[in-house]
Amino acid sequence: DVKVTQSSRYLVKRTGEKVFLECVQDMDHENMFWYRQDPGLGLRLIYFSYDVKMKEKGDIPEGYSVSREKKERFSLILESASTNQTSMYLCASSLGQIGFFGQGTRLTVV
Amino acid sequence: TQLLEQSPQFLSIQEGENLTVYCNSSSVFSSLQWYRQEPGEGPVLLVTVVTGGEVKKLKRLTFQFGDARKDSSLHITAAQPGDTGLYLCAGARRGSTLGRLYFGRGTQLTVWP
Repeated sequence: DVKVTQSSRYLVKRTGEKVFLECVQDMDHENMFWYRQDPGLGLRLIYFSYDVKMKEKGDIPEGYSVSREKKERFSLILESASTNQTSMYLCASSLGQIGFFGQGTRLTVV
Repeated sequence: TQLLEQSPQFLSIQEGENLTVYCNSSSVFSSLQWYRQEPGEGPVLLVTVVTGGEVKKLKRLTFQFGDARKDSSLHITAAQPGDTGLYLCAGARRGSTLGRLYFGRGTQLTVWP
């Protein structure tokens, strides 16, 4: 089975903090994705990566950056967390056009 | 604007009833996936449909991909409380080689015993 693991299930951070969300997949997938999920808005793509050190902006990249130094690991960085970044964050990797998701990180910024 | 429009947004039914969830777009997709998500968890893939007109069955769940590959439906027969969850459709656009998926906003299904 494909496994996508996010480092934290729940996080509480203060406004202005730098926040790192980590994601690791064990199936040697080329593509990895970060989404945020908010009620009524569905899943919105923040960034994705199709290879090591490669990244592409998704639909809502503002306030976020990413890092992919190794194929299996894709990190989402909130440079200066704000309350409007309180959300559920989902990491995914894909084999072709099929996505496999991690369990999600519920981030609260206070 | 949402590339995939999913309806209804909420569905609350009694155990044993049938239901259909729709996923529509004006765009053509090379494949369409349906996911189910439980509270506090990530989405889990239920099925992928790739051929126009394709119908797939997964026990009491029937998935259909429209002939023109612009829409899909999920039909559940004799719903059970264990079917409760958020159902998401997601499509991959033709020509996309990067595996990017476009998601609908989801249908929150509640099945009461």
